[in-house]
Amino acid sequence: TQLLEQSPQFLSIQEGENLTVYCNSSSVFSSLQWYRQEPGEGPVLLVTVVTGGEVKKLKRLTFQFGDARKDSSLHITAAQTGDTGLYLCAGNNPRDNYGQNFVFGPGTRLSVLP
Amino acid sequence: DTGVSQNPRHKITKRGQNVTFRCDPISEHNRLYWYRQTLGQGPEFLTYFQNEAQLEKSRLLSDRFSAERPKGSFSTLEIQRTEQGDSAMYLCASSFMTGWYTDTQYFGPGTRLTVL
Repeated sequence: TQLLEQSPQFLSIQEGENLTVYCNSSSVFSSLQWYRQEPGEGPVLLVTVVTGGEVKKLKRLTFQFGDARKDSSLHITAAQTGDTGLYLCAGNNPRDNYGQNFVFGPGTRLSVLP
Repeated sequence: DTGVSQNPRHKITKRGQNVTFRCDPISEHNRLYWYRQTLGQGPEFLTYFQNEAQLEKSRLLSDRFSAERPKGSFSTLEIQRTEQGDSAMYLCASSFMTGWYTDTQYFGPGTRLTVL
């Protein structure tokens, strides 16, 4: 069974601070996605990383995929109240030609205070 | 808007009743996934379809749960004889598979089920 762990589970910071959240696994993934989810809504895709060591930037968000494709990090610079939400990572690993599914971590719940 | 849509958004039912949810995926996507999410947890995989074929079911999907995608477009998820433990957010996602590598999943807004 493939498992994804995320840390920290909860994070509360002041607006303007920087933060990093982590997604770790003992399994290798062919790709990894980060999503943000607000209460009562479905997850919204932020980024997909595919190549080991890959770094992607989305405005104030920087995503990195570990060299071994087992872990990833999300760094937010100068957090804003609009960044508040549940950040989920999901790993994709095809098992064969016909079966695969995404494995989600439990999420990091971020609160950015004004 | 051509994103994934789900109906209804909220459903309240009494224990023992049957409920059915609908998901309309992004039109060109050939894969459709169902997930369940409880408070404070990430989504848990239930089942997925490639076109009209149901290719995988999680052990979480008991005999009371059934999913269909009759024409390879929209999908329905039915829960029979609902139990209070079925209360959760039911999420649908779709993707387009090319070869062995599946493209990213895009999620709908979910259906929030409350079983009284």
